Amino acid sequence: EIVMTQSPATLSVSPGDRATLSCRASQSVGVNVAWYQLRPGQAPRLLIYGASTRATGIPARFSDSGSGTEFTLTISSLQSEDFAVYYCQQYNAWPRTFGQGTKVEIK
Amino acid sequence: EVQLVESGGGLVQPGGSLKVSCAVSGFTLNNYWMSWVRHTPRKGLEWVANINEDATERYYVDSAEGRFTISRDNPKNSVFLQMNSLRVEDTAVYYCVRDSYNLLDLWGQGTLVTVSS
Repeated sequence: EIVMTQSPATLSVSPGDRATLSCRASQSVGVNVAWYQLRPGQAPRLLIYGASTRATGIPARFSDSGSGTEFTLTISSLQSEDFAVYYCQQYNAWPRTFGQGTKVEIK
Repeated sequence: EVQLVESGGGLVQPGGSLKVSCAVSGFTLNNYWMSWVRHTPRKGLEWVANINEDATERYYVDSAEGRFTISRDNPKNSVFLQMNSLRVEDTAVYYCVRDSYNLLDLWGQGTLVTVSS
């Protein structure tokens, strides 16, 4: 199965600053990567997928880039509601696999 | 309002069984594949199983194969996960998720399953 590796494990960022999260696949997955956000007490949500297509209702401050094996999620100006855990997931090959997550915390 | 609501989680002993349910509203269930995904703080997210629109196809992660069974009742807008021979490592929050063209695009709030003696 394809292993997804995220870095860093924890990212400390001040509100209003930019956050850059990385995700690496153990083999090429094309552009078939999605990002999810988990906040305590809330349902997880799909953020962005397939080369920067944002899911319904996701603000433009979320963007992603990359293809093949290297992917980046960027949050351009962190808002209070953005402090959460983010997971990348590949859907190019079966089984779908997730990274281990990056926690974005307040600096 | 579009939502998925899980229920049925709880404490079960190793080797025991549990069935979790998912009530769906706000969209037509029989137009979608559905998945179960679990989460632990240590291991993160793990896709567990999915089922196609008319329940003719079901797929499982290797660790669930032979122990878990995913099912659905479209007229009752429900999806289920029967879990047998539970192990300590199955302890997790289990999420019911709408599965749309390989994207997990709508999630419930989850139900906690704890396997412990």
